[in-house]
Amino acid sequence: GIQVEQSPPDLILQEGANSTLRCNFSDSVNNLQWFHQNPWGQLINLFYIPSGTKQNGRLSATTVATERYSLLYISSSQTTDSGVYFCAVELNSGTYKYIFGTGTRLKVLA
Amino acid sequence: DAGVTQSPTHLIKTRGQHVTLRCSPISGHKSVSWYQQVLGQGPQFIFQYYEKEERGRGNFPDRFSARQFPNYSSELNVNALLLGDSALYLCASSLFWGGNEQFFGPGTRLTVL
Repeated sequence: GIQVEQSPPDLILQEGANSTLRCNFSDSVNNLQWFHQNPWGQLINLFYIPSGTKQNGRLSATTVATERYSLLYISSSQTTDSGVYFCAVELNSGTYKYIFGTGTRLKVLA
Repeated sequence: DAGVTQSPTHLIKTRGQHVTLRCSPISGHKSVSWYQQVLGQGPQFIFQYYEKEERGRGNFPDRFSARQFPNYSSELNVNALLLGDSALYLCASSLFWGGNEQFFGPGTRLTVL
């Protein structure tokens, strides 16, 4: 089955620093989403980005579907950015299920 | 508009018992998916329902079942609970069956003792 790998697995930043999170997937996908999971378990939608580049405030994302990767950029990080970041890819194989990546655990220090 | 809602928030059961979890999708959304997230891992797909029909099933035993009602809300049932079923159960809703954005509820945290 498809493999969805995220890097780095863990990241510690000082407040104000920038970071890049990567998501690699091993097969063609229908769609891709980025989520932030807060400490209470809520998955918050960041980007719905099957291809191209999108920006939302301090966050931006780029997906290059032909090369099977996506990047999430966080600029001027804040302590509230702490949590786990997941990418999830939607397969198109008769079942439109999302496969989640391994996650990146981010801690932003004040 | 309200987002995806799930009930209950927390649940404690003992081994062998049965549990029912509930989910109400965003108004206008016709598809509901269920995911299981054990501690330290990403969510794993369990079921997808669209227009009251099962459209996808993950690699879970037959003890797991689900259904979708005419108002598009959904129930996830788990029989003969095992300790390993302890997890956060997440419900996601989307407009249609595939090719569109999923929105997740707050989850139900199930503890099996």
